Amino acid sequence: DVKVTQSSRYLVKRTGEKVFLECVQDMDHENMFWYRQDPGLGLRLIYFSYDVKMKEKGDIPEGYSVSREKKERFSLILESASTNQTSMYLCASNLHGTSGGGALNFGPGTRLTVL
Amino acid sequence: DQQVKQNSPSLSVQEGRISILNCDYTNSMFDYFLWYKKYPAEGPTFLISISSIKDKNEDGRFTVFLNKSAKHLSLHIVPSQPGDSAVYFCAASEPSGTYKYIFGTGTRLKVLA
Repeated sequence: DVKVTQSSRYLVKRTGEKVFLECVQDMDHENMFWYRQDPGLGLRLIYFSYDVKMKEKGDIPEGYSVSREKKERFSLILESASTNQTSMYLCASNLHGTSGGGALNFGPGTRLTVL
Repeated sequence: DQQVKQNSPSLSVQEGRISILNCDYTNSMFDYFLWYKKYPAEGPTFLISISSIKDKNEDGRFTVFLNKSAKHLSLHIVPSQPGDSAVYFCAASEPSGTYKYIFGTGTRLKVLA
């Protein structure tokens, strides 16, 4: 089974802090994704990466950046945290993108609270 | 504009009965549809998918039905069990060669013992 791990389950940060969320997958997947989940809004795509050093904006990239220096690791960076970035952050990976309906494999999530 | 909609935020069902979760979409170019289940404080787990060229896919207690003309899909769980209590998300994928999955807002299912 693919394992996707996230560095923290819970984080509390202050407004204006720079925040790093780390994600690691162990199945040599090409594609990695960052989503946020908010009540009533479902899962929304922030950024994704289809190869090392490659990244693409998702639907809500404002206030975020990403880094993929190694295939197994995909980091989400909040440049200056704000209270409206309080959310559940979910990392996911898969092998073939949407080809053949390839399912996403999600990590356990990081619940971030910005005070 | 929400391309994938789950209009029922919650649903309660008695144990042993059928649970039916619904999902509507607007983009006729979606080529796969997936259902995920999510427990609190955990990441979503993949349940079942269906290709746009099929109208039914079954896996154990879970069956997904697709009505392309109505742009509607549904997930049936029979029989429902208390462990099925979770939030269910439907998702649609854009055609091959892209990486985008569009998720609905979720339906919270509660199975009553």
